Amino acid sequence: DAGITQSPRYKITETGRQVTLMCHQTWSHSYMFWYRQDLGHGLRLIYYSAAADITDKGEVPDGYVVSRSKTENFPLTLESATRSQTSVYFCASRDYNSYEQYFGPGTRLTVT
Amino acid sequence: QKEVEQNSGPLSVPEGAIASLNCTYSDRGSQSFFWYRQYSGKSPELIMSIYSNGDKEDGRFTAQLNKASQYVSLLIRDSQPSDSATYLCAVPLMDSNYQLIWGAGTKLIIKP
Repeated sequence: DAGITQSPRYKITETGRQVTLMCHQTWSHSYMFWYRQDLGHGLRLIYYSAAADITDKGEVPDGYVVSRSKTENFPLTLESATRSQTSVYFCASRDYNSYEQYFGPGTRLTVT
Repeated sequence: QKEVEQNSGPLSVPEGAIASLNCTYSDRGSQSFFWYRQYSGKSPELIMSIYSNGDKEDGRFTAQLNKASQYVSLLIRDSQPSDSATYLCAVPLMDSNYQLIWGAGTKLIIKP
């Protein structure tokens, strides 16, 4: 189906483990984004990508790594998970000429 | 620091009444404004975009933009219980070609 998907939808991991959240979009949108959403903080930008092989930091990038080898995929890796990274993670994308962002369903990550 | 402010609510409105949601922003150069709806446990969904002063209507939803006063509002006519959600206002960061600045959202509750 066309759109933007995320996997897994739910993940429980332990402190110190590496975990990768996947994001895939079928619109061929240039821009892709990773946000986290926590009570009291709203949506906060972690990383974004303007195109394949072009990524940059957002507001809260520490502890996260991204890559974008293909236009349609934008994985987010937590290299050594911490409890403070327990959150809901949303991937979003937009076309080059528009500010309108479209969101994936989200991944609820719990770090124990 | 560019900001987007919303009353966090909750805003309680009787079914059938008009719900009025407000958003103020600090960047006078902003040209585009977006309203997203987020149901509990779901991802944000774009419901309205507005680019020029005045009103934009889409079904029961009307977005109103006043650039001079730096506010944008969302009116929901004939409110339904299914409109109960958190409404997020987003404004592009004008010195960036990628980032939206997000309000913290207003929780709307429609009482039957």
